[in-house]
Amino acid sequence: EAGVTQFPSHSVIEKGQTVTLRCDPISGHDNLYWYRRVMGKEIKFLLHFVKESKQDESGMPNNRFLAERTGGTYSTLKVQPAELEDSGVYFCASSGRQGSHTEAFFGQGTRLTVV
Amino acid sequence: GNSVTQMEGPVTLSEEAFLTINCTYTATGYPSLFWYVQYPGEGLQLLLKATKADDKGSNKGFEATYRKETTSFHLEKGSVQVSDSAVYFCALTPQGGKLIFGQGTELSVKP
Repeated sequence: EAGVTQFPSHSVIEKGQTVTLRCDPISGHDNLYWYRRVMGKEIKFLLHFVKESKQDESGMPNNRFLAERTGGTYSTLKVQPAELEDSGVYFCASSGRQGSHTEAFFGQGTRLTVV
Repeated sequence: GNSVTQMEGPVTLSEEAFLTINCTYTATGYPSLFWYVQYPGEGLQLLLKATKADDKGSNKGFEATYRKETTSFHLEKGSVQVSDSAVYFCALTPQGGKLIFGQGTELSVKP
């Protein structure tokens, strides 16, 4: 069984550009989560999808971030326009149980560098 | 509010040394506590967990005990190996909600 897959593994963009991160959850998992670790600090929750609906987006930092999960399968996280402070590692996770962050499987993360 | 504080890294040890990574937390109610690990080039993996006071989580030779009186969940291993080199994250979840992580501790084990 394939795990959670994230694309790209690394991205370097200039300030002001747009970047789109993708997450493919484990097949059949309704719950999908985005977290990020900025500048070696703690990992922070961004948002939670149940199928295609946003269950909790309280961690989204501002309106430059847009997450989608059309069709309830893969998810994208777009940053537009990117700022220097957006640099960090973005993790995606998925789980098969309702609201169960703690039984989620994590991807390897996308390292985003904004220069 | 809820928060997790863990010792700063990097921690560098020789193979077979004893490991302790300190973790303390602040939380309302009775959270569940976790240690996650990220090996180089891999995703976050749940290492162990404890859901109530005095519980001991263990896995792969690592242990941590939920200490409510000291609000701590220190990670220990009696004899580390080179393959244990990774970043370790302490985390909590209040009543099954979103995970709240510490800042991570990088461990490097030298042969």
